[in-house]
Amino acid sequence: DAKTTQPTSMDCAEGRAANLPCNHSTISGNEYVYWYRQIHSQGPQYIIHGLKNNETNEMASLIITEDRKSSTLILPHATLRDTAVYYCIVSFFGNEKLTFGTGTRLTIIP
Amino acid sequence: DAMVIQNPRYQVTQFGKPVTLSCSQTLNHNVMYWYQQKSSQAPKLLFHYYDKDFNNEADTPDNFQSRRPNTSFCFLDIRSPGLGDAAMYLCATSRVRDTQYFGPGTRLTVL
Repeated sequence: DAKTTQPTSMDCAEGRAANLPCNHSTISGNEYVYWYRQIHSQGPQYIIHGLKNNETNEMASLIITEDRKSSTLILPHATLRDTAVYYCIVSFFGNEKLTFGTGTRLTIIP
Repeated sequence: DAMVIQNPRYQVTQFGKPVTLSCSQTLNHNVMYWYQQKSSQAPKLLFHYYDKDFNNEADTPDNFQSRRPNTSFCFLDIRSPGLGDAAMYLCATSRVRDTQYFGPGTRLTVL
């Protein structure tokens, strides 16, 4: 699986959009971008995934660049409950093995 | 609500004393996973079951074993826990080729 690079930490004001970047310059054509988050003392939670088109669901939006070498997870109106570690994972669709990187610790500031 | 349940949430054991962690699911998923997450680190896959098919990761120590007696339950056995095995153990489930749903984890302390 391709390696990902994420900032170690980010802050975002409550109510604002949180934009979390991820670099995956070695991604191959069949690999998807997955995002999970882990709130303190809980198990990771699936957020969203995509291949090359932008995706949106009730939790977030995923913007993937045209060359697919980077992506951004957008939480449109961040709340305090969005404080968590966010993991960007690149993997073949349906690959049983999720290889978690170091993730971004997002702190939402009141 | 359908979910992944892990018991206990906190487990304390003594150095070298075997311990078993349990996971159950009401999602009826084929695949069940065990991850280890040490403090301030990312989760790391230990092994997974595809139905009754066991798949061990190459770097998972022999000290760690697993059992899956039926679709709903999966156990993690640590035969002789060392201090380095203190961690959060996460169970996850999925349908085949689908997203993973994680339980809340069991935090293991080794004295």
